[in-house]
Amino acid sequence: GAVVSQHPSRVICKSGTSVKIECRSLDFQATTMFWYRQFPKKSLMLMATSNEGSKATYEQGVEKDKFLINHASLTLSTLTVTSAHPEDSSFYICSAPGPQGGDQPQHFGDGTRLSIL
Amino acid sequence: RKEVEQDPGPFNVPEGATVAFNCTYSNSASQSFFWYRQDCRKEPKLLMSVYSSGNEDGRFTAQLNRASQYISLLIRDSKLSDSATYLCVVNMGAAGGTSYGKLTFGQGTILTVHP
Repeated sequence: GAVVSQHPSRVICKSGTSVKIECRSLDFQATTMFWYRQFPKKSLMLMATSNEGSKATYEQGVEKDKFLINHASLTLSTLTVTSAHPEDSSFYICSAPGPQGGDQPQHFGDGTRLSIL
Repeated sequence: RKEVEQDPGPFNVPEGATVAFNCTYSNSASQSFFWYRQDCRKEPKLLMSVYSSGNEDGRFTAQLNRASQYISLLIRDSKLSDSATYLCVVNMGAAGGTSYGKLTFGQGTILTVHP
């Protein structure tokens, strides 16, 4: 079945560092991918929609200059957390609709646990 | 009002028990509905899609009431391995619309099944 690979799974770095997270669809093409963030004991919150060939669409309250999204190809989207600070520590996860379309269950990456010291 | 609302629990039940989770959603134009489970510090995994006719997968039964904007999940004969957070998830976008494919998650219902 359709698989989404997310890398890295765990990042620990100093405040001020920029961190790049990759999300790949392994055996299907994804013109759209979604990036979510989850704080401890909270549910997933959509941050942005990544669109291949065009700018990402950000949800209200999400800083686009802070969270840079690049959908470089039909199988790769990247999220870069720029100048990360401790409050950016969270679980980041991407998803992509499968080949069947956007109203079908989505495929999630394994998530990236980001810890900023 | 939250877009997708669930009772956060926690639910603590013995093995073999039957447990039901409820969920309501605010957008009547919502297109598709799912239950996911999430284990601690892991990604969500699809449990089942939810259809208006109701659907069953082994010990799990999901129901959707569009008129009431209400979704339910019933777990029969609970197992220890059922312990997880159960997420009610709604896709509110129609094909071609700006929200197509966007998922809105409920806050999750924590289930603990004990021996």
